[in-house]
This record gives sequence, structure tokens and C-alpha cells, in this order.
Amino acid sequence: GDSVTQMEGPVTLSEEAFLTINCTYTATGYPSLFWYVQYPGEGLQLLLKATKADDKGSNKGFEATYRKETTSFHLEKGSVQVSDSAVYFCAAKGPGNKLTFGTGTQLKVEL
Amino acid sequence: DTAVSQTPKYLVTQMGNDKSIKCEQNLGHDTMYWYKQDSKKFLKIMFSYNNKELIINETVPNRFSPKSPDKAHLNLHINSLELGDSAVYFCASSQSETRGETQYFGPGTRLLVL
Repeated sequence: GDSVTQMEGPVTLSEEAFLTINCTYTATGYPSLFWYVQYPGEGLQLLLKATKADDKGSNKGFEATYRKETTSFHLEKGSVQVSDSAVYFCAAKGPGNKLTFGTGTQLKVEL
Repeated sequence: DTAVSQTPKYLVTQMGNDKSIKCEQNLGHDTMYWYKQDSKKFLKIMFSYNNKELIINETVPNRFSPKSPDKAHLNLHINSLELGDSAVYFCASSQSETRGETQYFGPGTRLLVL
């Protein structure tokens, strides 16, 4: 079945630092790829998505590019803020219609 | 105007009890889901319904029984609760089951079994 691997956390950064959270996937065919964010005590919110190879999803300064050749969808942000502190989930949805999540990466941004 | 709502938000109960969690979406979506998030934040799908029909049924104990009375509602009933059922349960919905559709999540129900 499909699987998603993302880097272990927690990731601790200073405000305005550059962020990368790595995500790779294993899936049949070409899945759609998503990043979701979970703020403390809340449900998941879609951050961005890409549905085909070379697509770039972007939102709120975050970006991720669907790389078929490396089966990756790494999340990046040029300058993080304290308010970005949350758990970030990479997910893939293939022909089986199941959304498969990675284990989540906790991000802590400090002043 | 909450898109996906769940009740209750918190549920504390004794082992062996039976409990239900309700979910409603006002987005006009055709597909709804239940996910379980464990203490390590790992999220796993449990069930999915499309137009009131069960389409995904993962390896979940049959103590868990979903019910979809209509497209806008997907409830989860749990019989004979066990300690290991303690988790956060998320309901979600999407326009359809196609692979590119975004799933919208509810705020979660935090279940604690004592």
C-alpha cells in the first residue's frame, strides 16, 4: 500500500529562519500530495497541495514541489514566525482513495 | 458557520461503556471519513462513506460501527470501550472520493477511557 515518510521532529528554529521538512512517498501511480497543519488543540487544516508532477503548491509563504523523480514533496518556508509553531503532516492520496499520512513533524519557532 | 463539526469535543468514560460521536458537514460534500489519531499524533483512516455507502473499512475492531443517516452526517458508535481506544477521533469530508480532492477536518473528539 501507499506510505509516506517525513522527517522526525521536533524541529526547533529561531524566528526568521529557513524551514525545510522532508517528505517522501511510496505509491502506485501518481498520487496527489498534500501538506496539512495541526495547531495545538485543533483539527487539521490543508496548507497546500499538488496533484501532478512538477506542480508547486503554495500558501502563507509555504511551498512544496511535486518531484516525481525523487518521489518527494518537501515543505519549505523562507522565514518562519512563532505563529507557524504546529505539527505538519505530509499526505498522499492514490487511486485507492485513501489519504495516507506521514507521522507528523512538530515545529517549534522561538523568538 | 463551521464546515465540519463534531460532538462532543471531549469524552471521558469507563471501560466497557458504549459511546457515540457525531459528525456533521455543511459543505454539501458527498464523502465523509473517520480518522483516529493516537498519542504520538499518528493519523490513520478508519472508515469512509460516499453518498451514505461504505467505501473504506480499514482493519478496525467490529466494536466500531459507523452510520451515515444522510450525506451530511457520519456518526461513530463504539461498543465495549477499551483503554486502547483512547485517542483523538477526527471526522473529515471531501467533495468526492477522487484523488485530488481536499479533505476538510473537524476539530476532533478527545476520547479518554478510564
